[in-house]
Amino acid sequence: QLQLQESGPGLVKPSQTLSLTCTVSGGSISGDNFFWTWIRQHPGKGLEWIGYIYYSGSAFYNPSLKSRLIISVDTSKNQFSLKLRSVTDADTAVYFCARALSGAYSQFDYWGQGTLVTVSS
Amino acid sequence: DIQMTQSPSSLSASVGDRVTITCRASQNIRDYLIWYQQKPGKAPILLIYAATSLHSGVPSRFSGSGSGTDFTLTISGLQPEDFATYYCQQSYSTPRTFGQGTKVEIK
Repeated sequence: QLQLQESGPGLVKPSQTLSLTCTVSGGSISGDNFFWTWIRQHPGKGLEWIGYIYYSGSAFYNPSLKSRLIISVDTSKNQFSLKLRSVTDADTAVYFCARALSGAYSQFDYWGQGTLVTVSS
Repeated sequence: DIQMTQSPSSLSASVGDRVTITCRASQNIRDYLIWYQQKPGKAPILLIYAATSLHSGVPSRFSGSGSGTDFTLTISGLQPEDFATYYCQQSYSTPRTFGQGTKVEIK
């Protein structure tokens, strides 16, 4: 059974960089069939797609975050990561990693449990 | 960006009821519509993709319909475990966008 687990600091100071890692177990991050995804959910709000990355390193970002965002992949560790720089309190959210199928509909079929990141001094 | 609008934002229903949630896209997305269920403190769960295709393991009381701009999620015979928030999402283009959610509460 595929499992995804987010890890990283739960508290980040304003203007600093938010860094999270998603570790994939029970399956390989390499392969043609999947995109590895970050999604966030502001407290009490809906879902926002951040971006996703293919195992080769090709990444697709939400334009609203693109200028501050880097998503990377480490196939040797079966992990992918998110770095969001110059954070503000608007970046306080639960961050989920997920797997998207690379077929026509790219639905998110496996999700991590989510990790709350609070931006505060 | 494609805007996704769900209605209602919340509804109250009883066990056994038939529940319908609507999702409207701001432009034609053909059948690139996905539905998720989310319970408090948990990650979303995939229910339906391609507007009408049930994900593996999802009970048959869940069904989806629609194409173009107007879509529907129906729960036929609401069960206690179905009380949750439901989100639609378009996968027609990037950035992927979600509806604001519909909370299904116990009457």
